[in-house]
Amino acid sequence: GAGVSQSPRYKVAKRGQDVALRCDPISGHVSLFWYQQALGQGPEFLTYFQNEAQLDKSGLPSDRFFAERPEGSVSTLKIQRTQQEDSAVYLCASSLKVGNWDTEAFFGQGTRLTVV
Amino acid sequence: TQLLEQSPQFLSIQEGENLTVYCNSSSVFSSLQWYRQEPGEGPVLLVTVVTGGEVKKLKRLTFQFGDARKDSSLHITAAQPGDTGLYLCAGPPGAGNNRKLIWGLGTSLAVNP
Repeated sequence: GAGVSQSPRYKVAKRGQDVALRCDPISGHVSLFWYQQALGQGPEFLTYFQNEAQLDKSGLPSDRFFAERPEGSVSTLKIQRTQQEDSAVYLCASSLKVGNWDTEAFFGQGTRLTVV
Repeated sequence: TQLLEQSPQFLSIQEGENLTVYCNSSSVFSSLQWYRQEPGEGPVLLVTVVTGGEVKKLKRLTFQFGDARKDSSLHITAAQPGDTGLYLCAGPPGAGNNRKLIWGLGTSLAVNP
């Protein structure tokens, strides 16, 4: 596609429910990032993939958060047993090259998750 | 602890005015990036500054990286309503290859016609 696509755009989950957020990166992009952006905050790094390999997951806030990119393209961020503090916009970004700082990353529109 | 502090947090100005927003840190960054984010959208990269003292211009936007690489500024000349948005600075912590970015909280700019 022309850009990074995320789905769903909006998700309302009951506390305790599991959710899965999808990211379709730009075709051919090697690097894929997930960020969490709370209301009024800047994005916070969650995890990074280089192709199908998850090279950095140090930003995942708990073991309820799990991300995968099994074929090196589409990625899914799964949150188990959602809690209210998980409410945020989840942003996905991809970049053409290995994800150093100097490689421009293109962001999707995000998925706004609201846990009630 | 927020490593990148942005100021002001909110700014509302009239069309045609000039403005400067700041991104400050007590730490040295190898580079800093500036992004603009509109409501309901992801951030869009505006510029990356790398060298201490560097100045980059993007039409009416002027970006500067401090000599000590601890701070950066964004100056907008003759602001237009289309400049409205959240301006975020971000940089890789530490030295060398680093895939993470540390982000500021942003400056929310409203340019009124």
